[in-house]
Amino acid sequence: GAGVSQSPSNKVTEKGKDVELRCDPISGHTALYWYRQSLGQGLEFLIYFQGNSAPDKSGLPSDRFSAERTGGSVSTLTIQRTQQEDSAVYLCASSPSATNEKLFFGSGTQLSVL
Amino acid sequence: AQSVAQPEDQVNVAEGNPLTVKCTYSVSGNPYLFWYVQYPNRGLQFLLKYITGDNLVKGSYGFEAEFNKSQTSFHLKKPSALVSDSALYFCAVRDRDTGGFKTIFGAGTRLFVKA
Repeated sequence: GAGVSQSPSNKVTEKGKDVELRCDPISGHTALYWYRQSLGQGLEFLIYFQGNSAPDKSGLPSDRFSAERTGGSVSTLTIQRTQQEDSAVYLCASSPSATNEKLFFGSGTQLSVL
Repeated sequence: AQSVAQPEDQVNVAEGNPLTVKCTYSVSGNPYLFWYVQYPNRGLQFLLKYITGDNLVKGSYGFEAEFNKSQTSFHLKKPSALVSDSALYFCAVRDRDTGGFKTIFGAGTRLFVKA
């Protein structure tokens, strides 16, 4: 498909474990975003990547959260030592290179920390 | 810093009536503004955007939004609501003048359209 792909769609983990969430953006999109949506809450900005520029990490809630983007394409969001409050839907989006372009969202990863 | 406020958690309207979902924003420069919709069990979809020019922007599914710079608002409107419009609506802003891609979303407004 030509859309943003996220995996896994669901992840259940135990408190204290590390998790990795993956995002495949639309081919050719230079900007990639991660957001978190908690139950009944809005979209919380986490991080974005644009081309070869340094990522904007200003939304990461703690140093347990990190993300990387390899080869300007696939991105991985890593949460270390997960806590119950990390339970949420993690959404990835990508967009073309112009700053007036819309975001294309993936279906998200539902993370449940027990 | 950018921010978006959607003052209503929920909006209820009867089918056939006009609807308005409110959004105000704050940016240091000039804004790009967006509306997205999230239907149950579906991903976020783009509705419309304001870039420059005409303050009234028309988008998908008959929705429109009006940019008001003096009130820093970008309210979403539709002349006649449908039951199928029931969904979660998000307003988003990007600061045009910084040239960056950071996009901040509001908390969302749930729209219920009753038949």
